[in-house]
Amino acid sequence: GESVGLHLPTLSVQEGDNSIINCAYSNSASDYFIWYKQESGKGPQFIIDIRSNMDKRQGQRVTVLLNKTVKHLSLQIAATQPGDSAVYFCADPIKAAGNKLTFGGGTRVLVKP
Amino acid sequence: NAGVTQTPKFRVLKTGQSMTLLCAQDMNHEYMYWYRQDPGMGLRLIHYSVGEGTTAKGEVPDGYNVSRLKKQNFLLGLESAAPSQTSVYFCASSWTSGGYNEQFFGPGTRLTVL
Repeated sequence: GESVGLHLPTLSVQEGDNSIINCAYSNSASDYFIWYKQESGKGPQFIIDIRSNMDKRQGQRVTVLLNKTVKHLSLQIAATQPGDSAVYFCADPIKAAGNKLTFGGGTRVLVKP
Repeated sequence: NAGVTQTPKFRVLKTGQSMTLLCAQDMNHEYMYWYRQDPGMGLRLIHYSVGEGTTAKGEVPDGYNVSRLKKQNFLLGLESAAPSQTSVYFCASSWTSGGYNEQFFGPGTRLTVL
């Protein structure tokens, strides 16, 4: 899950297995969420987004689930590959403030061969 | 399209020195942002701009100034660098808030202040 601090939560996954990364948010008014992937030494890269009128959205090998009741998001990566090793962030644009993003601390995914 | 570019990629400063980080985007985005990322942490917003000639403070604006004289460029200045400003700086841009728009990030500038 998400946390803020010096120690990133880490998810170790066997290559080929599915990964599930969790994120909690606090603003009940949030209506749009984005998942980013950040590889070592690079900037965050968009993976998938979801609006609050949806419970689920699928992309290529990725699925995002949104549970508004408990203010929880998850990112599922199917058949995890070595190239999926990265830090994953969920973010919540605040429209009233120039779409500025609030990021959690991220989750590091390590894919074991 | 180059997307979002940042210069320089790396820089080492001594305490008290000044420098400017340059961000450029070629996607005609209205909104631009400067974030910093410290080890093991998420990104924190320093300043942002919702259009040419406008700037606004983010979560951690102290010690930084910004300017958006041209739509495609967003400059981040450190007038008197401090060791606490050692970080990786990311610039991002997006369309307006009229829709649901992702932010596109640059590759980052790694700054060390001694």
